[in-house]
Amino acid sequence: AQSVTQLGSHVSVSEGALVLLRCNYSSSVPPYLFWYVQYPNQGLQLLLKYTSAATLVKGINGFEAEFKKSETSFHLTKPSAHMSDAAEYFCAVSPRMDTGRRALTFGSGTRLQVQP
Amino acid sequence: EAGVTQFPSHSVIEKGQTVTLRCDPISGHDNLYWYRRVMGKEIKFLLHFVKESKQDESGMPNNRFLAERTGGTYSTLKVQPAELEDSGVYFCASSQDRGTFIDTQYFGPGTRLTVL
Repeated sequence: AQSVTQLGSHVSVSEGALVLLRCNYSSSVPPYLFWYVQYPNQGLQLLLKYTSAATLVKGINGFEAEFKKSETSFHLTKPSAHMSDAAEYFCAVSPRMDTGRRALTFGSGTRLQVQP
Repeated sequence: EAGVTQFPSHSVIEKGQTVTLRCDPISGHDNLYWYRRVMGKEIKFLLHFVKESKQDESGMPNNRFLAERTGGTYSTLKVQPAELEDSGVYFCASSQDRGTFIDTQYFGPGTRLTVL
């Protein structure tokens, strides 16, 4: 069974500082990996996804994530935080093998606060 | 292009009552998913439709939950009778079917259900 762990339910950074949100997965086979963001009163929006092409994945709004198989990690980073980045971020995985199952397994989410 | 829409945005009901949630996927998306986030926990998969057929309902918690997708367009999720532990945010997502399973799932804003 797959699982996802997001370290830190709340992360606070200053505007302009580096954003680092951690995600580790557990899977016998490296899965597809996703980061979603939920802004207040909105649905989940895909930031980026890893599908076994380049290990460094660039997403929207200046975010990127690096897949590290040896560490089973897919941490999300942004060099300089902006006030508008305040939101809740979710890491998710889906199975690689085509079993017909496409269910995403989510981590518990990390709420990012950006201080002025 | 309209995104995934869900109705209602909020619902407050008493224990034992019935509630029906509706999801309208993005036009042309054959895949429709229901997920749920109980307070403070991770988002969990409930079920997956391909057109009008249930492809995977492994996440449905019990037989008080009934999902339908007549005609392969919109979907409804009925909870009958509702229990306190059913409170949470119910998300709907949809995706195209291009024969791969890395198709992005697009999420709606969710329905917040409160059972008193």
